[in-house]
Amino acid sequence: ELKVEQNPLFLSMQEGKNYTIYCNYSTTSDRLYWYRQDPGKSLESLFVLLSNGAVKQEGRLMASLDTKARLSTLHITAAVHDLSATYFCAVGLTGTASKLTFGTGTRLQVTL
Amino acid sequence: GAVVSQHPSWVICKSGTSVKIECRSLDFQATTMFWYRQFPKQSLMLMATSNEGSKATYEQGVEKDKFLINHASLTLSTLTVTSAHPEDSSFYICSAEDGTLMGYSNQPQHFGDGTRLSIL
Repeated sequence: ELKVEQNPLFLSMQEGKNYTIYCNYSTTSDRLYWYRQDPGKSLESLFVLLSNGAVKQEGRLMASLDTKARLSTLHITAAVHDLSATYFCAVGLTGTASKLTFGTGTRLQVTL
Repeated sequence: GAVVSQHPSWVICKSGTSVKIECRSLDFQATTMFWYRQFPKQSLMLMATSNEGSKATYEQGVEKDKFLINHASLTLSTLTVTSAHPEDSSFYICSAEDGTLMGYSNQPQHFGDGTRLSIL
């Protein structure tokens, strides 16, 4: 059974600071996704990572994937309040059609 | 971009009522749709995979007779919570992938806005 864990579960950080969210998964996967969820809302797609060593960046967020270590990171640079949300990674099993297992989520709170 | 519409966005009803939630892909054909449930401050849990023209595949522990899924067309899947009780109160989210892509998609699933179900 695929397990996906995120660390930390909750993160409070000041504006301007940097931090990294970690996503570990238990079995071989060939695709990993990062999503953002605002309170009471659905999910917004952030990144799609498909190969070992993949790195994607959008604004203050950068995601990377190490398939050998079964680890993905979401790095936040110079955080701003607008980044406050819950972030989920989701992993697809190799060979299965689109079925995703979501991580536990990381609630990010950026304070002024 | 691909849009998934979910309706209604919020439902409050009495215990014992059956509730139907619709999930529509507005500008693409979705051969596969997914239904998730999310409890407060928790992650998304996949309930079932809905395939157009065939029976849904339910995850372990999800009652098929309780959560009826129908995927009658390439743009519409419905989830009916039958005889709902307070413990069924949750945030239900559907997602869909573009059926024009061959094999399994490497694109992100497109999520609906979710339905907040409250059973009194």
